[in-house]
Amino acid sequence: SQTIHQWPATLVQPVGSPLSLECTVEGTSNPNLYWYRQAAGRGLQLLFYSVGIGQISSEVPQNLSASRPQDRQFILSSKKLLLSDSGFYLCAWLRRSGGNEKLFFGSGTQLSVL
Amino acid sequence: EDQVTQSPEALRLQEGESSSLNCSYTVSGLRGLFWYRQDPGKGPEFLFTLYSAGEEKEKERLKATLTKKESFLHITAPKPEDSATYLCAVRQGGSEKLVFGKGTKLTVNP
Repeated sequence: SQTIHQWPATLVQPVGSPLSLECTVEGTSNPNLYWYRQAAGRGLQLLFYSVGIGQISSEVPQNLSASRPQDRQFILSSKKLLLSDSGFYLCAWLRRSGGNEKLFFGSGTQLSVL
Repeated sequence: EDQVTQSPEALRLQEGESSSLNCSYTVSGLRGLFWYRQDPGKGPEFLFTLYSAGEEKEKERLKATLTKKESFLHITAPKPEDSATYLCAVRQGGSEKLVFGKGTKLTVNP
């Protein structure tokens, strides 16, 4: 079966510290992968998406970067966190089957930058 | 300009009181319109994907419809467990991006 794993669930980091969030997908190959951020009381903001290994599209200029070192692994990073990086981070993958599309989300990481 | 606008921002219903949520979009060449349910502190849960005007899909008390400019999520005889934030997203033809609206927070009182 196809599943998506995202960790950690909760993270508290000081300002200026580095960040690495990892997302992996099982049971599929060459998926489209996405990183979204959801700030308190706001909608889902698309940060990055990837259609293949090493292929990253950035949607919003920011303090974050993404990498896709393997087909089913998507990593969100920062060298120095800002207070404004706090939020709920969600990884997702787009499943295509017989012309139908479904975007599935991980369980999310609640990041608090203090 | 927002590509996806959801209304109302919040909706409070009594149990059994049917209503509809709206998602209007401005993208051209719609490739898919997605509906999600999100509970607090959790990732969004997939509900439906609609592809063309006139299409309808149902799941339990929920029914989603699509026109060339908007989609409706109809909730029939809602129960308290239907309380959640409902999100809408669109994918434009030729793009791999899915753009979300800000959601409608639904509260169903017993």
